[in-house]
Amino acid sequence: DSGVTQTPKHLITATGQRVTLRCSPRSGDLSVYWYQQSLDQGLQFLIQYYNGEERAKGNILERFSAQQFPDLHSELNLSSLELGDSALYFCASSDNSYNEQFFGPGTRLTVL
Amino acid sequence: SQKIEQNSEALNIQEGKTATLTCNYTNYSPAYLQWYRQDPGRGPVFLLLIRENEKEKRKERLKVTFDTTLKQSLFHITASQPADSATYLCALDDPNSGSARQLTFGSGTQLTVLP
Repeated sequence: DSGVTQTPKHLITATGQRVTLRCSPRSGDLSVYWYQQSLDQGLQFLIQYYNGEERAKGNILERFSAQQFPDLHSELNLSSLELGDSALYFCASSDNSYNEQFFGPGTRLTVL
Repeated sequence: SQKIEQNSEALNIQEGKTATLTCNYTNYSPAYLQWYRQDPGRGPVFLLLIRENEKEKRKERLKVTFDTTLKQSLFHITASQPADSATYLCALDDPNSGSARQLTFGSGTQLTVLP
């Protein structure tokens, strides 16, 4: 158990819809990272927050957004969903940007 | 951007042998490199981190080497066991990402240890 929690575990929705994925980092970790993993793309970095502020952006679509709240939990919002957004979405946390990342169990998103 | 290649998508070895996985990168040299293990449907689990000024790092049956001249890291599992079967990912930091130190992951090598 990494100490990182993600909800929901599974999410099935239709094209055009909007969903919110939630992540709670390990106690004391200030950095939260979001990744997308699909079969053909591997693990792709989306975005990082550090203590409530956006720190780095990767290959995140404009339809996706994220935020980190004062209690350090984070949410990833995916809107106008397309079939290609079906993937595993992982959240990870670390105590700073230079150390190992601890990954959550992931949310499996299926867009029908 | 960084391009990372991990040797063959799949590697099968016999129990008790040493598994050697390769991670090659093509562009800038990272300040550090990490190895993760991922089981199907689960999140990656951190194994080892090696910095650019370190040649080798060990942890129990695991050993990582880092050659910045060859732009390569080797990951060894000695006395391999069927329980070591998983996908192994290497990840490199991006020194151009400033204080964020964004990680770029390789596509992974799926290791199967046969009993």
